[in-house]
Amino acid sequence: DSGVTQTPKHLITATGQRVTLRCSPRSGDLSVYWYQQSLDQGLQFLIQYYNGEERAKGNILERFSAQQFPDLHSELNLSSLELGDSALYFCASSPRGRRDSSYEQYFGPGTRLTVT
Amino acid sequence: GDSVTQMEGPVTLSEEAFLTINCTYTATGYPSLFWYVQYPGEGLQLLLKATKADDKGSNKGFEATYRKETTSFHLEKGSVQVSDSAVYFCALSDSTTGTALIFGKGTTLSVSS
Repeated sequence: DSGVTQTPKHLITATGQRVTLRCSPRSGDLSVYWYQQSLDQGLQFLIQYYNGEERAKGNILERFSAQQFPDLHSELNLSSLELGDSALYFCASSPRGRRDSSYEQYFGPGTRLTVT
Repeated sequence: GDSVTQMEGPVTLSEEAFLTINCTYTATGYPSLFWYVQYPGEGLQLLLKATKADDKGSNKGFEATYRKETTSFHLEKGSVQVSDSAVYFCALSDSTTGTALIFGKGTTLSVSS
C-alpha cells in the first residue's frame, strides 16, 4: 500500500459527459501528479500540483483540468468525454518540497475510466 | 524532448533464469532514473532508483546501474521467481518540468515454474 488513495476505482460513462476523479496523497506529501495510461500512448504525464498551485503541465487536453485543495487532495476533471479518453488514470504523490526530495513518486491504484 | 526506450516484450522465462530488461534514455542534463513495477490490477510501485552516474539501485534481488556513457539503465535479476511476473517500466525525471516522470512503454515479464 503506497498510502495514495484514488476514487472511484472504476467509472463507466457516455461520450460527452463530465467526470471527476479524486486523489488523496500520502500524508505530508505536497506534490500531486496525474498520469494517463492507455494502450496506444502508454503512461503519460498530465499535470502536477504543488501545495495548491499548478507546477507543471504535460500532455493534458484542454477538456481536462485539475486542482489541488487546501487539504492537499486533488481532483482531475474530464469533460466532453470521447471514446479515446478511456484509460487508467493514476495519481502519484511525492515528498518533493522537503529538503531530502529525490523525485521519488508513490502511485495510487488508479481509476479505470470507460467511455461508451 | 527527453525519452525512454525499453525492450519490447513479452519476456518469458523459467523460474530461476537470469533476467535482463534493456532500457536506454535520451535526456538533457542528468536525470534521475527509475524502475517501476506494475502487478496485475495494481498501481505502479517503485522498484529501484539511481540519481547520478555510476549509482547502482537495488531492491528484492533486482539491480540496475546508471551508465551515463551508454545512456542506459538495464534491469537485471540473477534468479527470477513466478511472483516476479509483472510489467516493468523504466522512467526518468523530465528535465523540462524537473519532477514529472517520463516512462518507457513497459516490458511484460512472465515467469513459469
